[in-house]
Amino acid sequence: EAAVTQSPRNKVAVTGGKVTLSCNQTNNHNNMYWYRQDTGHGLRLIHYSYGAGSTEKGDIPDGYKASRPSQENFSLILELATPSQTSVYFCASGDATTSQNTLYFGAGTRLSVL
Amino acid sequence: GDSVTQTEGLVTLTEGLPVMLNCTYQTIYSNPFLFWYVQHLNESPRLLLKSFTDNKRTEHQGFHATLHKSSSSFHLQKSSAQLSDSALYYCALSESNMGYKLTFGTGTSLLVDP
Repeated sequence: EAAVTQSPRNKVAVTGGKVTLSCNQTNNHNNMYWYRQDTGHGLRLIHYSYGAGSTEKGDIPDGYKASRPSQENFSLILELATPSQTSVYFCASGDATTSQNTLYFGAGTRLSVL
Repeated sequence: GDSVTQTEGLVTLTEGLPVMLNCTYQTIYSNPFLFWYVQHLNESPRLLLKSFTDNKRTEHQGFHATLHKSSSSFHLQKSSAQLSDSALYYCALSESNMGYKLTFGTGTSLLVDP
């Protein structure tokens, strides 16, 4: 079974502060993703990566940056957090060649921006 | 860009009755890959089933779906609902089985009553 670990699991941040969400996968998957989940909107793609050193904008990238320093790690960075970024964030990994791009999700990070 | 439409936000039914959750999609690609993910309460989404073959029924864990490219649909069905089927169901689209980006619908909450 694929293993994707997110940290922290819960985070309370202040408006204007910097937040970093971390994700580690031990599956050697090429692709990694950051989604946010909100009622009525489902899962929306923020950033994704298809390998170390690469980051691509998803559907809602504004206000977020991403970093993929290695195959295993993919971070989501909120430089200036706003209350509208309060959400549950999911990291996922997948591999088009070995799993036909089936995504394996982490447990999620619940972020509250006050 | 790609889009996935799930028209029902909430489906409530009695145990033992059939389940049908609707999913339609829009894409410019001729070989889309369609997925259903399930998310139980306080868990992360996980793959339920997937398909890229036109008009072929795909089954897993009692659920089934058939990709119909002619109508751009991939509805999820089950003959008899169980209490344990209560969950949030997402339909998702990839441009192909080698595509990097997965686009999710807004999700359908299924609530099965005794």
